[in-house]
Amino acid sequence: KAGVTQTPRYLIKTRGQQVTLSCSPISGHRSVSWYQQTPGQGLQFLFEYFSETQRNKGNFPGRFSGRQFSNSRSEMNVSTLELGDSALYLCASSPGRSQGLIGQETQYFGPGTRLLVL
Amino acid sequence: AQSVAQPEDQVNVAEGNPLTVKCTYSVSGNPYLFWYVQYPNRGLQFLLKYITGDNLVKGSYGFEAEFNKSQTSFHLKKPSALVSDSALYFCAVSLDLYSSASKIIFGSGTRLSIRP
Repeated sequence: KAGVTQTPRYLIKTRGQQVTLSCSPISGHRSVSWYQQTPGQGLQFLFEYFSETQRNKGNFPGRFSGRQFSNSRSEMNVSTLELGDSALYLCASSPGRSQGLIGQETQYFGPGTRLLVL
Repeated sequence: AQSVAQPEDQVNVAEGNPLTVKCTYSVSGNPYLFWYVQYPNRGLQFLLKYITGDNLVKGSYGFEAEFNKSQTSFHLKKPSALVSDSALYFCAVSLDLYSSASKIIFGSGTRLSIRP
């Protein structure tokens, strides 16, 4: 099976712009999660989607949003970019359960999108 | 507050020697524990996880980890280190919040450096 893919791999934007990142999960996986990785803050959970619904959300401002399509592909959007948004954005997919023992699932990560905000 | 600690930012080991990367956690309830590895310019790669049962978990690339409930630890170990094991290692704890959501917390990461 092909792994999780993320596009683009690298992106340079300026402050105030917006950006959309894309993630294609492993075939058959229904849950997609997004993370921000920075040297200072480490890995922080952004949100999780399952069956086109946001099931969980981390502690990020409303400038960060996402969505999931019927084919489980997901996009993440960041509006009004700030310098501090420079990071590696990681997407992870898991098979997905509708309920119960969700925390047991292994997440499979994509290579990430490295965003630089100037 | 729920947390995961990786007390060492860096661990240096000579090739062929045993290695240990430490992880402790503080959570309420029964945690699921994971180890992931990240190579340069790559995403995280799953190594192993503890859900329930045998406290010693074996994973990929010869790694294993021992769940110790009394010490709330989940240290990653390998009997004989390889130079190719050099990477960034993350411990994570996952909890079922309620029937349709979970919460995952990652440690700060430990950089493992294996010298030839």
